Amino acid sequence: DGGITQSPKYLFRKEGQNVTLSCEQNLNHDAMYWYRQDPGQGLRLIYYSQIVNDFQKGDIAEGYSVSREKKESFPLTVTSAQKNPTAFYLCASSIGTDYGYTFGSGTRLTVV
Amino acid sequence: QQQVKQSPQSLIVQKGGISIINCAYENTAFDYFPWYQQFPGKGPALLIAIRPDVSEKKEGRFTISFNKSAKQFSLHIMDSQPGDSATYFCAPTLRGSARQLTFGSGTQLTVLP
Repeated sequence: DGGITQSPKYLFRKEGQNVTLSCEQNLNHDAMYWYRQDPGQGLRLIYYSQIVNDFQKGDIAEGYSVSREKKESFPLTVTSAQKNPTAFYLCASSIGTDYGYTFGSGTRLTVV
Repeated sequence: QQQVKQSPQSLIVQKGGISIINCAYENTAFDYFPWYQQFPGKGPALLIAIRPDVSEKKEGRFTISFNKSAKQFSLHIMDSQPGDSATYFCAPTLRGSARQLTFGSGTQLTVLP
């Protein structure tokens, strides 16, 4: 079945450490996105990519980095510069800018 | 940044009742109006969407009503079921824009058995 796979589902990180969240899609979608979700809030855009080897900052990119070396993959690194990284992270993809998104099941990151 | 206001923040409905969630937006250029449904621990999923050339769209128990002049659209869930208990997000969109979705803050719906 086509879809988006995010791994791991739960992740614990010590303060001061970088951590990378995986996002893989087999939908042949061009565009991919990373969102952060905090309790009681909507989704906030971190980074997005329309094509391979190109990506743009979203609204809350500080403390995060991404890469898009393959169409299928869009990993997100949460760096030690992110002051409040504990959150639910969602990856999404779309076939183009005129269509709805397909979301993964998310990664819950907790800083301990 | 475009502003999207979603209400109510939470909603409790008896089984069989009607659930109504509203979304108001400011950007008149938005041209695609979806609602997403999210269950706990899962990613949102597209539930239903409408384009601005129609005022209403119905899919099963779910209906979108769109009021272009008021810059509002709403989600109606008829005959609400406990399985509908989830968080609902509106996400008005400018098609062709790479950034696309602007999410509302979400409405937590609880349908009592």
